[in-house]
Amino acid sequence: ETGVTQSPTHLIKTRGQQVTLRCSSQSGHNTVSWYQQALGQGPQFIFQYYREEENGRGNFPPRFSGLQFPNYSSELNVNALELDDSALYLCASSPGGRSPQETQYFGPGTRLLVL
Amino acid sequence: GENVEQHPSTLSVQEGDSAVIKCTYSDSASNYFPWYKQELGKRPQLIIDIRSNVGEKKDQRIAVTLNKTAKHFSLHITETQPEDSAVYFCAALSRDAGNMLTFGGGTRLMVKP
Repeated sequence: ETGVTQSPTHLIKTRGQQVTLRCSSQSGHNTVSWYQQALGQGPQFIFQYYREEENGRGNFPPRFSGLQFPNYSSELNVNALELDDSALYLCASSPGGRSPQETQYFGPGTRLLVL
Repeated sequence: GENVEQHPSTLSVQEGDSAVIKCTYSDSASNYFPWYKQELGKRPQLIIDIRSNVGEKKDQRIAVTLNKTAKHFSLHITETQPEDSAVYFCAALSRDAGNMLTFGGGTRLMVKP
């Protein structure tokens, strides 16, 4: 198992609400990436944070936002939830920073259900 | 942007046989190719990766090959065991794509005892 942890493990929200998901990176890792995995599909990149700054973003609307803290833990915030936001949200930490070749280690994920 | 295609979507083999999963990618700037194994309800776990300066890498029963010219890479599992049953994802990372991993659609491998 990796040292990456996520909370909560499961979450149920209703359409229009806001949600905050949390991730603690593996010790020594300063980069956190967030992915959305819909049922039966591969993970899709949301964004990456390196030393508290956004370091790349996928094709997700601005209502998906994030933060990284000085201890390198991270939050994913989703506003105005839609039914299609129901998915497993994964964070992955890596030891490097702006280098694009660093191996990413995944946390257990947060399963979000939007009703 | 990068597009990763993965085949087959399902693969059933007898215990002891070999399994091969193939992926193609579109962005010639991609330079890092990991493979993840995901069991039901669990996190993706890195099983092997390869960088673009290497053509082949092996770790016990698992090997990955990369053909940069053809833009495809493959996962080979030999002597399959029932515990190899899972969904396998290939991915590609492009220097020009903001550090994001682009994943294939996954292959459900079933190893029959």
